[in-house]
Amino acid sequence: SAVISQKPSRDICQRGTSLTIQCQVDSQVTMMFWYRQQPGQSLTLIATANQGSEATYESGFVIDKFPISRPNLTFSTLTVSNMSPEDSSIYLCSVGTGRDEKLFFGSGTQLSVL
Amino acid sequence: SQQGEEDPQALSIQEGENATMNCSYKTSINNLQWYRQNSGRGLVHLILIRSNEREKHSGRLRVTLDTSKKSSSLLITASRAADTASYFCATDVGGGHDMRFGAGTRLTVKP
Repeated sequence: SAVISQKPSRDICQRGTSLTIQCQVDSQVTMMFWYRQQPGQSLTLIATANQGSEATYESGFVIDKFPISRPNLTFSTLTVSNMSPEDSSIYLCSVGTGRDEKLFFGSGTQLSVL
Repeated sequence: SQQGEEDPQALSIQEGENATMNCSYKTSINNLQWYRQNSGRGLVHLILIRSNEREKHSGRLRVTLDTSKKSSSLLITASRAADTASYFCATDVGGGHDMRFGAGTRLTVKP
């Protein structure tokens, strides 16, 4: 299993600013994923972040808007840049341990942009 | 992008009743998983069923998979108020944790 600490748990931000979300895992994992969950909606994959390589972004998401860092096997950050009210969502990091096929999730970051 | 569609979107039942949620998907899968989310927080894995399995049980949970119909169902028996949450199916389409989540069912269990 994997225990994930995600912070901040929530934030209220002004339009045009940026927020960096951190995700710390209690064990080394190869694959980390960042999801967005808009109000009342399902999860949409933003990008896959593997250590030692550039993040792979899904259609509709770009690095300039959602830069990701993955400096080691236990840590990753997602930045939401130049925010607008449309970015108000829950952002979730998750990991796959490789030892089983399920995902483990952080507790999420509730972002509100005014 | 999303792959699964779930129904119903919302379900309200009394404590002690059974709750059934359905999930349909579009492409071939390696496995299908069900997750639970409380109050918009992180998801918790409930159960996984592989493409060559038809039924699986875990405690009060029963999952079925029909690959010919590309559908799955999650049954929660003898529901409790603490089961109130959103439930999502997720399909593993390419291995390597390439998961696609359904729209989710919001379950409310009234005490």
